[in-house]
Amino acid sequence: GAVVSQHPSRVICKSGTSVKIECRSLDFQATTMFWYRQFPKKSLMLMATSNEGSKATYEQGVEKDKFLINHASLTLSTLTVTSAHPEDSSFYICSARGLAVRGDTQYFGPGTRLTVL
Amino acid sequence: AQKVTQAQTEISVVEKEDVTLDCVYETRDTTYYLFWYKQPPSGELVFLIRRNSFDEQNEISGRYSWNFQKSTSSFNFTITASQVVDSAVYFCALSASGTYKYIFGTGTRLKVLA
Repeated sequence: GAVVSQHPSRVICKSGTSVKIECRSLDFQATTMFWYRQFPKKSLMLMATSNEGSKATYEQGVEKDKFLINHASLTLSTLTVTSAHPEDSSFYICSARGLAVRGDTQYFGPGTRLTVL
Repeated sequence: AQKVTQAQTEISVVEKEDVTLDCVYETRDTTYYLFWYKQPPSGELVFLIRRNSFDEQNEISGRYSWNFQKSTSSFNFTITASQVVDSAVYFCALSASGTYKYIFGTGTRLKVLA
């Protein structure tokens, strides 16, 4: 139980384009979803927290207009990197928590590697 | 302020050796949770264990064991008889009750050599 998927696993795009990453909780309802960014050989940096049906809460220093987060249902959250630039290249990981699966535990997706040319 | 320190950046051991990964945390909250996750080269974080601040019992799961000591604010992780498949980055994380946000340590890269 508590499986989280992400799609796509890898994406390469040209500078200036927008990229959408989906995060789905497959076997539980996700009360809250989290988006992280991880640089090579570094720890995870929390970008934002989203609750179903409400606006995401962004961490300090994260551009809201650059990283659009939508949590439209209890099983789906999306992260859109708008007008991507090479510095946005990174590994993006989502996680989800749900009341039915140890509410304080986050379950992570497999991550999406974004490369912006 | 909350903080998690994993002082060991990288550890290399030979297969079948035991290895302990250290995790020291700081928090002023009385209720909190501690976690360990494994991140293999594929990138996905795999949940290993969750421990709440009121449960100081040590836990063993197969070759894995965890030692939680509130007196020293530590939550160490031991792998017994390590295997090559244990090679990964291991993260310790802290979450205060009610916030659900994690504070991650910087991770310890474990290399198990055949």
